[in-house]
Amino acid sequence: DAGVTQSPTHLIKTRGQQVTLRCSPKSGHDTVSWYQQALGQGPQFIFQYYEEEERQRGNFPDRFSGHQFPNYSSELNVNALLLGDSALYLCASSGKGWYGNTIYFGEGSWLTVV
Amino acid sequence: AQTVTQSQPEMSVQEAETVTLSCTYDTSENNYYLFWYKQPPSRQMILVIRQEAYKQQNATENRFSVNFQKAAKSFSLKISDSQLGDTAMYFCAFMGYSGGGADGLTFGKGTHLIIQP
Repeated sequence: DAGVTQSPTHLIKTRGQQVTLRCSPKSGHDTVSWYQQALGQGPQFIFQYYEEEERQRGNFPDRFSGHQFPNYSSELNVNALLLGDSALYLCASSGKGWYGNTIYFGEGSWLTVV
Repeated sequence: AQTVTQSQPEMSVQEAETVTLSCTYDTSENNYYLFWYKQPPSRQMILVIRQEAYKQQNATENRFSVNFQKAAKSFSLKISDSQLGDTAMYFCAFMGYSGGGADGLTFGKGTHLIIQP
């Protein structure tokens, strides 16, 4: 049983460009959340998707957007990249209702903005 | 908004010793979960232990246990018989429940735990 999978694992982008990161949740999971983890910091909640809709959002600008597909996989899009967007982006999934269910994390996508 | 504070940026202990990592949080919610996650150099976030706020009994998982003091909003992690493989970053995290479902996790800044041979 595959866990949470993320792609790509590493990528380098130029300031001002756009990036798309992808996440496939663990089998049977329908809720996906995205986190940004800067070097030496704890992860910061970006947003959560459930039933193909953004259910909750953290304190991130509109440059950060997402999508959830009918198969529950998800994308994170970041427009107009800034140097400060360089971070590890983590995807997490959980089963119905999220609350109390074990939350599984992927291995993350390393984004470097130059 | 919730906040999670981990006041120990780094700790180092000898193998087989017991170590306690501290965490305090601030919230006005009544329903919530607390977690400890381990993040080794591979950066994979691994759940160590979780505690439901409505349960008075402290959670335990093998060598890992918590001391949950709800009134004091304190949630410390005790690792007994520490092993070299316990070396990692440890994050305390809070998850509330806002009626429409569970909220995203709020993490502390982490404690870097080093187990010395």
